[in-house]
Amino acid sequence: DTGVSQNPRHKITKRGQNVTFRCDPISEHNRLYWYRQTLGQGPEFLTYFQNEAQLEKSRLLSDRFSAERPKGSFSTLEIQRTEQGDSAMYLCASSLVGRYGYTFGSGTRLTVV
Amino acid sequence: AQTVTQSQPEMSVQEAETVTLSCTYDTSESDYYLFWYKQPPSRQMILVIRQEAYKQQNATENRFSVNFQKAAKSFSLKISDSQLGDAAMYFCAYRAGNMLTFGGGTRLMVKP
Repeated sequence: DTGVSQNPRHKITKRGQNVTFRCDPISEHNRLYWYRQTLGQGPEFLTYFQNEAQLEKSRLLSDRFSAERPKGSFSTLEIQRTEQGDSAMYLCASSLVGRYGYTFGSGTRLTVV
Repeated sequence: AQTVTQSQPEMSVQEAETVTLSCTYDTSESDYYLFWYKQPPSRQMILVIRQEAYKQQNATENRFSVNFQKAAKSFSLKISDSQLGDAAMYFCAYRAGNMLTFGGGTRLMVKP
């Protein structure tokens, strides 16, 4: 068990470019969550998966955002046509269904210039 | 919608002393979980302590304990014998369904 892994740790991109982040959860965890954290704030829920099914999406997840979890393993979060307001830390977490504990990754910090 | 409020943006404590971080929440649910997470500069959120709402007994984990007041919807964290390694952002979080809702955080500084 190597914990939740997120790549890359940092991403700097120009406004209007597309970016993709990857999250590898703990292998036996069937739930995977994406959160966004802006500077000085608490994380905000974006979306979550149970196995490969995306079960809930926040209204924060605009049409420019898409998340996938093929085969219920790793997940990707893509942001199209990035805007400066997308600059934030993107956190991934995983858990088992019915268990209250989440394990978080170290996040991907996105800077849009 | 559930909300979690941490009214102390920043707190300071002398090493070896005790500090209490405040948290209030708003919910109409009767069954839920409450958590305190620590986020050091390394960025990874680490679970410090959890409390099930149906349990009257306050949770304790070594130097960390909570004061859970269900009627008042209050959930404070007490850190005893503070250590330099306790310096971090602390987030209170609530969970009734499938997601965690976080407060805005309290930055804890520990003075040697």
